[in-house]
Amino acid sequence: AQKVTQAQTEISVVEKEDVTLDCVYETRDTTYYLFWYKQPPSGELVFLIRRNSFDEQNEISGRYSWNFQKSTSSFNFTITASQVVDSAVYFCALTFSGNTPLVFGKGTRLSVIA
Amino acid sequence: SQTIHQWPATLVQPVGSPLSLECTVEGTSNPNLYWYRQAAGRGLQLLFYSVGIGQISSEVPQNLSASRPQDRQFILSSKKLLLSDSGFYLCAGLIFSGEETQYFGPGTRLLVL
Repeated sequence: AQKVTQAQTEISVVEKEDVTLDCVYETRDTTYYLFWYKQPPSGELVFLIRRNSFDEQNEISGRYSWNFQKSTSSFNFTITASQVVDSAVYFCALTFSGNTPLVFGKGTRLSVIA
Repeated sequence: SQTIHQWPATLVQPVGSPLSLECTVEGTSNPNLYWYRQAAGRGLQLLFYSVGIGQISSEVPQNLSASRPQDRQFILSSKKLLLSDSGFYLCAGLIFSGEETQYFGPGTRLLVL
């Protein structure tokens, strides 16, 4: 069975601080895909990144970066120089195939205070 | 580009009333489609998914049902709503944009009173 754990339920940081959101996953599949989504107060889930299990390169996109480590089954997300607009719930998700339903973590609520 | 539409955006219904939520997808053909529910302050629960017209897989037994009458249309229904059906319903479509990725619609907030 697949499982995604986001142990941090809520995080509060002051604007411009860096923050890391943790994601630990469990799967027996050798091929799998990991995702991060952002859910702002409006509710819509916004796709941030997809990573397959064969690509352990870290990814950077502007102030966002992702650290994928198969050895620890983790796919952590770091926001550098956080801004108030980063306040949202962030979900990590996993699937063993590109077209099968996602298994979501319970999400981490990030509050960035001005 | 692809777009996922959902309506209505919000809905307040009495217990025991019927429900119909609609999801349509633009910009792609034969997408996998999904219905998720998010209870207040909680994570996402997969309700149904469909790989094609008339093909529905149910993940959680309950008083909800889903149908896919057209390639890019996915409907969530109930004959009699329960209080526990309140929540935020999200439709997602598997879209190929270089890689297959699930994209989500704006969601429907349902309050059952």
